[in-house]
Amino acid sequence: DQQVKQNSPSLSVQEGRISILNCDYTNSMFDYFLWYKKYPAEGPTFLISISSIKDKNEDGRFTVFLNKSAKHLSLHIVPSQPGDSAVYFCAVAGGTSYGKLTFGQGTILTVHP
Amino acid sequence: NAGVTQTPKFQVLKTGQSMTLQCAQDMNHEYMSWYRQDPGMGLRLIHYSVGAGITDQGEVPNGYNVSRSTTEDFPLRLLSAAPSQTSVYFCASSYKGQGFNSPLHFGNGTRLTVT
Repeated sequence: DQQVKQNSPSLSVQEGRISILNCDYTNSMFDYFLWYKKYPAEGPTFLISISSIKDKNEDGRFTVFLNKSAKHLSLHIVPSQPGDSAVYFCAVAGGTSYGKLTFGQGTILTVHP
Repeated sequence: NAGVTQTPKFQVLKTGQSMTLQCAQDMNHEYMSWYRQDPGMGLRLIHYSVGAGITDQGEVPNGYNVSRSTTEDFPLRLLSAAPSQTSVYFCASSYKGQGFNSPLHFGNGTRLTVT
């Protein structure tokens, strides 16, 4: 049974609009949450993270929201740009897990000019 | 700065053959790991290491072996390749612990096809 789910395989948005990517997890022991971005033929690259003691973390155009009671994580990209078109993976970890991340299935984001 | 280097980029094997996927990092990271990416499955952890001489199993370890004789290198061995091992393999490294300043750094992957 998957502990981390990204229920939208793909998302299409217009340049300049907001992109919202969602992620649900099942284990309340997870306490560290990350988003990775992946371009074709490249490895994933770290985008933004949040710990369970916060409910929001912002870095430029990217904001991650954490709703612990709902076990839900979201990534907002505002404004979206064509260069943001990529696969986005959410990942979760618990305690001192030394990078034993559990990843979601990924969401393909396409930003149209 | 090379970061995490994986070789080869592509490989085709016949069922039953063995091979080693190479991974090297030049960031002096203690932690290294191998993931496989399959359609609809995200990335799944195969094996990981928290330092030289120490390895442990991840979520999907069967059919794979690892060793960690140096901090820099973490090769993944396929003992007897099977079509179910057709996948894209990613090596990753980080400093020990999982904090805001130590996210995983990934290589660019090895695309393996087993026929």
